[in-house]
Amino acid sequence: DQQVKQNSPSLSVQEGRISILNCDYTNSMFDYFLWYKKYPAEGPTFLISISSIKDKNEDGRFTVFLNKSAKHLSLHIVPSQPGDSAVYFCAASAVGGAQKLVFGQGTRLTINP
Amino acid sequence: GAGVSQSPSNKVTEKGKDVELRCDPISGHTALYWYRQSLGQGLEFLIYFQGNSAPDKSGLPSDRFSAERTGGSVSTLTIQRTQQEDSAVYLCALEWGDLLTFGSGTRLTVV
Repeated sequence: DQQVKQNSPSLSVQEGRISILNCDYTNSMFDYFLWYKKYPAEGPTFLISISSIKDKNEDGRFTVFLNKSAKHLSLHIVPSQPGDSAVYFCAASAVGGAQKLVFGQGTRLTINP
Repeated sequence: GAGVSQSPSNKVTEKGKDVELRCDPISGHTALYWYRQSLGQGLEFLIYFQGNSAPDKSGLPSDRFSAERTGGSVSTLTIQRTQQEDSAVYLCALEWGDLLTFGSGTRLTVV
C-alpha cells in the first residue's frame, strides 16, 4: 500500500522556468511533510518541509504548498537552475518526527539549458 | 552525507550468499535508521535504533535481514541467503531533530 505517491517518475523543465513536482498521500494522519533531493551516488538531503497547520512554506527559490483537503502537496522551484537536476522525494510523517517517515517513489527532474 | 560513512559503496554478490553492509556515524548519535531504495520504488524503512531501546524492526522484509548496532555507534545490516529482489541501494541515516541525514549508500547487486 503506497501511502505517499509521486505519479510522475520524471520531469523536464527549461532553465529559468518553474518546476512543479507533485505528491499525493492517502493517510489523513500525516501531519508533517518534507522534500528531499538526491544526486547520483549520494544520500538524499533535506530541502524543505511543511507542517499541516500551514498551507505554504517558502525558502528562497523553493516553495512547498499543502492542500490537506486534497491530500496533495507540491514543490515549486523558480527559477529552475541546472544544479536543480536531481531526484526529488516527497516524505510524510504521522508523528511530526523522522521516525515514521514514509517516502514517495521519487521524481527525476532534469533542467535543460 | 556529512556525519555518516557507509561501506562498501558497491557490492556485487551471488544469489544465496550472505552480505554485510556497514554504517559508521562519524559523530555520536543515538538514533540511526536503515532505509533501502529499490529500482522505481521510494525509500523503504527497514530498521531504527534509538539509544539502548530495543530496535524497531518492523520494516525488515524477511527474517533473512538483521541488523545490529554495537556500542551505540557502528551499525551493520546483514542479509543472509541473498535473493535478486534484495538488489537495491541501502541507506543509513542519522536523526537530526525531525530530519534525517543520509549516508551515500551501498548499492547491492545480487546476480
